[in-house]
Formats: sequence, C-alpha cells, structure tokens
Amino acid sequence: NAGVTQTPKFRILKIGQSMTLQCTQDMNHNYMYWYRQDPGMGLKLIYYSVGAGITDKGEVPNGYNVSRSTTEDFPLRLELAAPSQTSVYFCASSYSTESNEKLFFGSGTQLSVL
Amino acid sequence: GQQVMQIPQYQHVQEGEDFTTYCNSSTTLSNIRWYKQRPGGHPVFLIQLVKSGEVKKQKRLTFQFGEAKKNSSLHITATQTTDVGTYFCAGGRTSYDKVIFGPGTSLSVIP
Repeated sequence: NAGVTQTPKFRILKIGQSMTLQCTQDMNHNYMYWYRQDPGMGLKLIYYSVGAGITDKGEVPNGYNVSRSTTEDFPLRLELAAPSQTSVYFCASSYSTESNEKLFFGSGTQLSVL
Repeated sequence: GQQVMQIPQYQHVQEGEDFTTYCNSSTTLSNIRWYKQRPGGHPVFLIQLVKSGEVKKQKRLTFQFGEAKKNSSLHITATQTTDVGTYFCAGGRTSYDKVIFGPGTSLSVIP
C-alpha cells in the first residue's frame, strides 16, 4: 500500500524561485494537511483541507498556497522562496478528524532555500 | 489561538530509567494524540485519548488524559535505546478542528 506519497524528497531552491511540493494519498481520505518542521522543532500546520475544493489556513500559511481539486492530491505551492522557508515539509491525511482517526504522514520533503 | 505546549524540551536518561513528558493545551481538547518521530523519520501515530481522565497502556508506555481535557502525559517505564526519538502530542478543540502539534520532547537514552 502506497499510503501518503510526497515528491520530491529533497530540493534546493534559490531565493525568489517557485516550486510545488506534491502530495498524493490512495486511502480515499477526506482530510489532508501540510506541516513544516524546522530543525529541532515541532510541526507547524501550514494549510489543511477537509475535502476536494475546500482548503483553510493553519498556523503559518504566509508564503504558501494550496489547492485541492481531487480527493487524492493536495499540492503545496511556494511562489517566492525565502530562506525562512528552509524546512522539512510533511504532508498528512486522515479519513476525518473524528476521535478514532489518526494522521498518516508522508516521508517528508527536505527543502533548502539559499 | 490554540496553543499546545510540552515539557521538557529535551531529556537524557540512562537506559533502564523512567521517562515522562507532559503536554498542556491552552484550550480544552476534544482528543489528544501522541506521535513518535525517530531521527530522520516522519511522525508515527502511537495512541489517541478521548475521555476525561482516560489512561491507556502500550507495553512500557502509559498515556493519560487529564480530567479537564487540557493536559496529557506519556510515561515510559525502564527506557530502552529503541525509545530514542521525539514524542509529540497533538490535539484539536473539537472533533472536526485542525490538529495542532506540541513542540515535542526529544528523548535520548544512554546505553
């Protein structure tokens, strides 16, 4: 089972460049999330989606955009990369946020902005 | 906004010693979840607590949800080197709320 798949695993960007982090899940989960994790720190929620066509801001949305055109895919877009966006990005999904649902995480994308 | 805090930030223990991490939320939580992240890995779900005062055990791990549903703890008895990693708590104010993670407690176990 593939679960949550993120690509790429590593990427180096120059300041001002743009890129899209891809995330896809094959579990038919309604909820999808993007988190960033800075070195030695916890996970901060960037954006989340409760279903196709619906997205909402998390704790740290500035500098990012998302879309959810299908249930499976939840790409994260960086328009003008800045050094402050150097981080590890995790995509996650769950069927719902009900009490017995857990988050399934992708393996992460390590992004460096130089 | 909702804040989730964890203490301590780091803990170094001798193998065989016990370990406890505490999680505190600024708001009442619908549920609390615990995750473990090994160095270089991604968070892996451990357990979820829903009821006020709930206590759950997984072998050497004991999880507790406070009576007011604003705090939780994870206790590991007789730590082993396989317990090394960062432990995160996460929760939402309602069943449908976004999940907010605490900053994590990094555990090192000295053989």
